[in-house]
Amino acid sequence: EAQVTQNPRYLITVTGKKLTVTCSQNMNHEYMSWYRQDPGLGLRQIYYSMNVEVTDKGDVPEGYKVSRKEKRNFPLILESPSPNQTSLYFCASSLLGDNYGYTFGSGTRLTVV
Amino acid sequence: DAKTTQPNSMESNEEEPVHLPCNHSTISGTDYIHWYRQLPSQGPEYVIHGLTSNVNNRMASLAIAEDRKSSTLILHRATLRDAAVYYCILRDNAGGTSYGKLTFGQGTILTVHP
Repeated sequence: EAQVTQNPRYLITVTGKKLTVTCSQNMNHEYMSWYRQDPGLGLRQIYYSMNVEVTDKGDVPEGYKVSRKEKRNFPLILESPSPNQTSLYFCASSLLGDNYGYTFGSGTRLTVV
Repeated sequence: DAKTTQPNSMESNEEEPVHLPCNHSTISGTDYIHWYRQLPSQGPEYVIHGLTSNVNNRMASLAIAEDRKSSTLILHRATLRDAAVYYCILRDNAGGTSYGKLTFGQGTILTVHP
């Protein structure tokens, strides 16, 4: 089944403890992206990648890192999480080009205490 | 980034058609109009997209105004499973650093009554 898989689905962590949220897609998509969703603010793009070793900042990149060493994987790294990074996170992927929609993962609910 | 405007909420009865409007008066010539929906506790799900012509797929139809400043998502027969938040989004296809970016608004909460 074609899908975007995020892990974990739920995570509670403490301030300052490094964590990684994994994202993997099995559709050979070039484009991958991370979004966070907060009440009243909607979904906002954190980082995106157009292909292996090509990443760039979205609208809210502060406090996050990403890497794209393989086409299928696009992990989101929080080096020193803070409570304001408590949010619902979504990974998405797409083929490049005009005629394609995006496939989103099921989400990761992160709580930083 | 181009913006879209949607009603906060709409209601429909089961098995009736639903027309969800979206205004995008600042759309550029290279922006594609995308629609996604988000069911509770799930990630957004692709519904349909188009550039200039009306589009149909198994989920819905997309009617695009001739001047492209508005569009309407049409669910031909609403079911209870169609209750979700519907997002109308402009995908930036102009190239450069914003290529491929989806900018989400607040969306329309669709309630479907049995």
